[in-house]
Amino acid sequence: EVQLVESGGTLIQPGGSLTLSCTASGFTVSSNYMTWVRQAPGKGLEWVSLIFSSGGTFYADSVKGRFTMSRDNSKNTVYLHMNSLRVEDTAVYFCAREEFDYWGQGTLVTVSS
Amino acid sequence: DIQMTQSPSSLSASVGDRVTITCRASQSISKYLNWFQQKPGTAPRLLIYAASTLQSGVPSRFTGSGSGTDFTLTISSLQPEDFATYYCQQSYYTRPLAFGGGTKVEIK
Repeated sequence: EVQLVESGGTLIQPGGSLTLSCTASGFTVSSNYMTWVRQAPGKGLEWVSLIFSSGGTFYADSVKGRFTMSRDNSKNTVYLHMNSLRVEDTAVYFCAREEFDYWGQGTLVTVSS
Repeated sequence: DIQMTQSPSSLSASVGDRVTITCRASQSISKYLNWFQQKPGTAPRLLIYAASTLQSGVPSRFTGSGSGTDFTLTISSLQPEDFATYYCQQSYYTRPLAFGGGTKVEIK
């Protein structure tokens, strides 16, 4: 059974750093691309980042230079390393696989002083 | 960057109504268009991919059509469980994998 489980969300102060994890089962995260999508409270879906099977990455302009996506094949896990966090980064963060047929349950990041 | 525009942003409808949501891409995306349903507090659920292909397990009252820049999601007979927010997303360009702004379907 395919499953994605995110973790790592918490309350953090502006300017802080945080790493989110997304652990997969039932498929291999390196087989295709994986993405992070976020949703601010009461708002729509916003694509954040993508990692290809090659390891190459793309980012939304809103997070470029502050967020880094990586992958650990041995743990079948992708990560989102978030630096210089801003209040506007407050959101539920979801991971999804390339086909977008499976998503994690989401993890809440709250950036506030 | 490509942009996805959905309309309307919200609508009120009754059980049994036919509902149509449109999505327009700022550039041609062939048929690389997904539709999602999201209910409060849950992850999005894939309904349709490749513009018109029904995802496994999705009821046949959901249909998608279109290609190029203009797409449509139709619910032929709205059911109580269909009240939710619907999003389109293009997957032709991998940066950005842009979503539409969403359409909230509410009970009239």
